[in-house]
Amino acid sequence: AQTVTQSQPEMSVQEAETVTLSCTYDTSESDYYLFWYKQPPSRQMILVIRQEAYKQQNATENRFSVNFQKAAKSFSLKISDSQLGDAAMYFCAYSRGNQFYFGTGTSLTVIP
Amino acid sequence: GAVVSQHPSRVICKSGTSVKIECRSLDFQATTMFWYRQFPKQSLMLMATSNEGSKATYEQGVEKDKFLINHASLTLSTLTVTSAHPEDSSFYICSARAGGHFNSPLHFGNGTRLTVT
Repeated sequence: AQTVTQSQPEMSVQEAETVTLSCTYDTSESDYYLFWYKQPPSRQMILVIRQEAYKQQNATENRFSVNFQKAAKSFSLKISDSQLGDAAMYFCAYSRGNQFYFGTGTSLTVIP
Repeated sequence: GAVVSQHPSRVICKSGTSVKIECRSLDFQATTMFWYRQFPKQSLMLMATSNEGSKATYEQGVEKDKFLINHASLTLSTLTVTSAHPEDSSFYICSARAGGHFNSPLHFGNGTRLTVT
């Protein structure tokens, strides 16, 4: 099975500042997809951003962007201009075929 | 679009009884749905992959006779926890892919918090 590692169980950021959440994964495949999901206290899983492995350009969605380093098997999430509503658990996910693997999550606290 | 509805959101049952959780794709067809279990402050653990019209595929260590999955239509999958025990208390989440493409993200239901007393 593929493994997805999030080495930061908890992170905090000042409101309006920038924070980067780390994610690494293990795979021998060249074609796959990567995702970041957010889970606020409501427990609803919300898609934040996705990246296709065959694309070299890093994905961006408004204040959220990724740093995808395929050779290093790294997929970090950068949140700019952090807002109180960004406080949540963030899960990195690897997908190939019908398989989806989640990391252990990073709990993000936003300090007013 | 791509809404997944899960019901009920909370359920409390007595030990030994069975509980059914429904997962519906409201605006798309889902030949495959996924059932996850999540313990507090932990990640999602895949329990099984539900396939429309065929048997579910269970992950190693998940008891198929205890967690019955039925995927009778392209928009509905059900998870039945049979003879529930307190250790089955957990948060259960279903998900599905819209579009059927492997680059499609998973869309999640709101989850069901099961408490077995």
